[in-house]
Amino acid sequence: EAGVVQSPRYKIIEKKQPVAFWCNPISGHNTLYWYRQNLGQGPELLIRYENEEAVDDSQLPKDRFSAERLKGVDSTLKIQPAELGDSAVYLCASSTDGTYNEQFFGPGTRLTVL
Amino acid sequence: AQTVTQSQPEMSVQEAETVTLSCTYDTSESDYYLFWYKQPPSRQMILVIRQEAYKQQNATENRFSVNFQKAAKSFSLKISDSQLGDAAMYFCACPMDTGRRALTFGSGTRLQVQP
Repeated sequence: EAGVVQSPRYKIIEKKQPVAFWCNPISGHNTLYWYRQNLGQGPELLIRYENEEAVDDSQLPKDRFSAERLKGVDSTLKIQPAELGDSAVYLCASSTDGTYNEQFFGPGTRLTVL
Repeated sequence: AQTVTQSQPEMSVQEAETVTLSCTYDTSESDYYLFWYKQPPSRQMILVIRQEAYKQQNATENRFSVNFQKAAKSFSLKISDSQLGDAAMYFCACPMDTGRRALTFGSGTRLQVQP
């Protein structure tokens, strides 16, 4: 069974440029999460999807961040415009349902904003 | 809000020895799960072990076991017979606030395994 797929693995951009990250969850997983992991810290939730609906986006900086999950499968996280403080690893995870089930993580995208 | 504290930024253990990583958490939930994840340099977070809070018996997965003290809100991870491949960042996690089906992570403990 294929795991959570993310692309790109690395991205380097100039500040004020836009950037997008893509995630393909494990087949059959209806819950999808985007986390941001700053250097030396644990992941922090940005947004959670149940199928195609964003049910928890309270920690998503909506002035510059946006996300979508068309057809309840793949998801894209976008930053526009990027700031220096956005440099981090962006992790995507998926689970079958609920808090009590294991979340499966992708390898993440390391973003560097210059 | 839920918080997770890992007080050991770094730990070191000799190969074949035993090491314990500490974690304390705060939650208002009465029924919940706790998790330990491993993150090697490849960045892929991998579930190590999961504990159901309503179970008094500590979870065990091969060389990995937990010491779960619900009243003290303590959830430590013990790694027995440490192997070189155990070297990684280890994160303790608990569910976020009621209804928020995501995890709150600690700041992690970097484990080094010495040959």
